[in-house]
Amino acid sequence: EAGVAQSPRYKIIEKRQSVAFWCNPISGHATLYWYQQILGQGPKLLIQFQNNGVVDDSQLPKDRFSAERLKGVDSTLKIQPAKLEDSAVYLCASSSGSGSPLHFGNGTRLTVT
Amino acid sequence: GQQVMQIPQYQHVQEGEDFTTYCNSSTTLSNIQWYKQRPGGHPVFLIQLVKSGEVKKQKRLTFQFGEAKKNSSLHITATQTTDVGTYFCAGRGTNAGKSTFGDGTTLTVKP
Repeated sequence: EAGVAQSPRYKIIEKRQSVAFWCNPISGHATLYWYQQILGQGPKLLIQFQNNGVVDDSQLPKDRFSAERLKGVDSTLKIQPAKLEDSAVYLCASSSGSGSPLHFGNGTRLTVT
Repeated sequence: GQQVMQIPQYQHVQEGEDFTTYCNSSTTLSNIQWYKQRPGGHPVFLIQLVKSGEVKKQKRLTFQFGEAKKNSSLHITATQTTDVGTYFCAGRGTNAGKSTFGDGTTLTVKP
């Protein structure tokens, strides 16, 4: 089966600019996650979707971060405006259900200067 | 909120030595998952433990889930250079909540 696809692979922006990441989960996976992984730390959940509905966005900084999964398949994560502390790898993952093993994409490495 | 701690943060071993990483949760878990992340890569699922006291083996890797379902361990016997990477546990709360990742144990193996 094809894995989780993410793009872009790398992105460098200046602070206060905006950026968007795209994710296409494994076919048939209803649950989609966006994680932020800062260097030296474990992945931190930003938002979890079940189909096109939000299950958990309690750790999403909603003043600058937004995410959508309009048709219940692929998803975009946006940051506007970016801050220096947003520099991290943004990982998308999907699973067949909440609590099931996560399948991660290769991630987008974001550098904010 | 739920906290998941992993120790040690780093472990350097000589090839052939054993390695163990420990995962401790502040709350009782419904399940725990283990992932491996190679340098520059993304986390890859290794195993899921659900039952109290459960022990699972994958070749040289042995995974345990504590009796109280608040801690877990991963033991690698006779490490190889291919075992290099960061090992993460992710614990899921009993209220069917989200899984929380620990900050991982980074293993380096000297040939």
